[in-house]
Amino acid sequence: GNSVTQMEGPVTLSEEAFLTINCTYTATGYPSLFWYVQYPGEGLQLLLKATKADDKGSNKGFEATYRKETTSFHLEKGSVQVSDSAVYFCALTGGNKLIFGTGTLLAVQP
Amino acid sequence: GAVVSQHPSRVICKSGTSVKIECRSLDFQATTMFWYRQFPKQSLMLMATSNEGSKATYEQGVEKDKFLINHASLTLSTLTVTSAHPEDSSFYICSANGDETGGSNQPQHFGDGTRLSIL
Repeated sequence: GNSVTQMEGPVTLSEEAFLTINCTYTATGYPSLFWYVQYPGEGLQLLLKATKADDKGSNKGFEATYRKETTSFHLEKGSVQVSDSAVYFCALTGGNKLIFGTGTLLAVQP
Repeated sequence: GAVVSQHPSRVICKSGTSVKIECRSLDFQATTMFWYRQFPKQSLMLMATSNEGSKATYEQGVEKDKFLINHASLTLSTLTVTSAHPEDSSFYICSANGDETGGSNQPQHFGDGTRLSIL
């Protein structure tokens, strides 16, 4: 079945450091891929998405490229801020459902 | 656009109480909504898919009689935790597809969640 594997956290970075959070997937067909962010005590917010191979989703300085050949959708940001501290979830569509990775906690220190 | 409102944000109640959580799509119609449960420092677990005008579809291992779902209109789904016990304490989150015409490629939009604490 479909599944998502994310790198385990926590990821601790200093402000302005480069961020990569790895995400790989297993799926039949051609799912859409998403990154969601969850700030403490809140629900999930869509960060970015990509619906087909080689699409690049981007938002608020974050980027991720749908790589079919490596079945990956790694999240990157060139310069993180303290306000980026949150849990990041990679997800893909399976039918009308979302399948989530386990989430990666990012802690950015000033 | 595509705002999902969830209420209440936090509930603290005694064991044996039934608790109702509401999920509303504020600026769009949602024939399908989803209910998730999240344990501390863990991912979201899909509990059920709520279908307007019909019975909810529950995931394996989720007790239907424990978690009652009603989706009586295109903008409202409710989850009732019946006779809640401390093990039901968790963070419950609802979501809905932002564009029903877009099919499964459209992102889900999430409510802010409900923190349920059973004493």
